[in-house]
Amino acid sequence: ETGVTQSPTHLIKTRGQQVTLRCSSQSGHNTVSWYQQALGQGPQFIFQYYREEENGRGNFPPRFSGLQFPNYSSELNVNALELDDSALYLCASKPPGSSYNEQFFGPGTRLTVL
Amino acid sequence: AQRVTQPEKLLSVFKGAPVELKCNYSYSGSPELFWYVQYSRQRLQLLLRHISRESIKGFTADLNKGETSFHLKKPFAQEEDSAMYYCALLIQGAQKLVFGQGTRLTINP
Repeated sequence: ETGVTQSPTHLIKTRGQQVTLRCSSQSGHNTVSWYQQALGQGPQFIFQYYREEENGRGNFPPRFSGLQFPNYSSELNVNALELDDSALYLCASKPPGSSYNEQFFGPGTRLTVL
Repeated sequence: AQRVTQPEKLLSVFKGAPVELKCNYSYSGSPELFWYVQYSRQRLQLLLRHISRESIKGFTADLNKGETSFHLKKPFAQEEDSAMYYCALLIQGAQKLVFGQGTRLTINP
């Protein structure tokens, strides 16, 4: 089992609220990516952080934002939640200079928006 | 457009039978492709990538640029192969993985 952890495991919010999801990467993994996986779909890339700066973004609106901290943890923040934001959110981290065969996924946070 | 298509949402075969999970991609750059697997109650994990040309758990996948395909194959399926399988394409520069919708493979005893 890898060292990537996510919290909380699941949570329920109502439309219009804000949510913060957390990811703790393995030590030394300075690249973290976040994905949204809707029911019955494959993961969809939200954004990637490298050395605490965003360095790649998918087709998600600005109300999806993130932070990465020096201790290899990171956050995904979503403002003004919509019903369609209900999904499993995955983070994945990899060490510096590695290719994607060394990217490890966390177990995910299941968000339900009512 | 950058896209990964897995035409089969569900695939069911008997133990010992050959398995082929299909994956087609659309990408103007030089493709780097992966297969990820998710076993029941486990997290998503890398199965194999085309660059390494390796066989993992008896699975192989060959990149066919002419047909823009990266099908996953195993000659003799085992019950423990039952899982969700995702094909993914690395978009160079953007540093993101584009996943297909996934295929749920069930191996019947």
